[in-house]
Amino acid sequence: EAQVTQNPRYLITVTGKKLTVTCSQNMNHEYMSWYRQDPGLGLRQIYYSMNVEVTDKGDVPEGYKVSRKEKRNFPLILESPSPNQTSLYFCASSQGKEDGYTFGSGTRLTVV
Amino acid sequence: AQSVTQPDIHITVSEGASLELRCNYSYGATPYLFWYVQSPGQGLQLLLKYFSGDTLVQGIKGFEAEFKRSQSSFNLRKPSVHWSDAAEYFCAVVSPSGATNKLIFGTGTLLAVQP
Repeated sequence: EAQVTQNPRYLITVTGKKLTVTCSQNMNHEYMSWYRQDPGLGLRQIYYSMNVEVTDKGDVPEGYKVSRKEKRNFPLILESPSPNQTSLYFCASSQGKEDGYTFGSGTRLTVV
Repeated sequence: AQSVTQPDIHITVSEGASLELRCNYSYGATPYLFWYVQSPGQGLQLLLKYFSGDTLVQGIKGFEAEFKRSQSSFNLRKPSVHWSDAAEYFCAVVSPSGATNKLIFGTGTLLAVQP
């Protein structure tokens, strides 16, 4: 089944403790992206990648890092999480502009 | 600046009634247009998309959308709503130019369905 897989689905952590949210897609898509979803703000792009080793900042990149060492994986790294990063995070992949994105099921992160 | 506006934050309709969700965009050129649905606790699912051709596009789950260039709109419609359509709906756009494939979302419309 074609899908984007994120892990974990739920995560509660403490301020300052480094964490990684994994994302993997099995569709050989070129593009991958991370979004955060907050009430009243919709979905905002954090980082995106156009291919292996090609990444760029989205609209809200502060406090996040990404890497794209393999085509299928695009992990999101929070080096020092803060409470304002409490949010619902989505990873997504796409083959091209005309195709739209396929989304993962989301990771609900709480930073206390 | 490029933007997507969904004027209705929350809409309630009766089961069996028709539905129209509004979406307006602000772009230099006609962008690629998408509608996504997010059921409670779920990820986003693509309902339909438009980038050229017939301005009335059909999607999954009985939804359709009409692109109107003169109004910079891409409204989502369904003739008869089912209780399972209760969800949040997002309009989104991608710029047709450049190499990036950045999807920009509206803030969403939450649909409630009354029995």
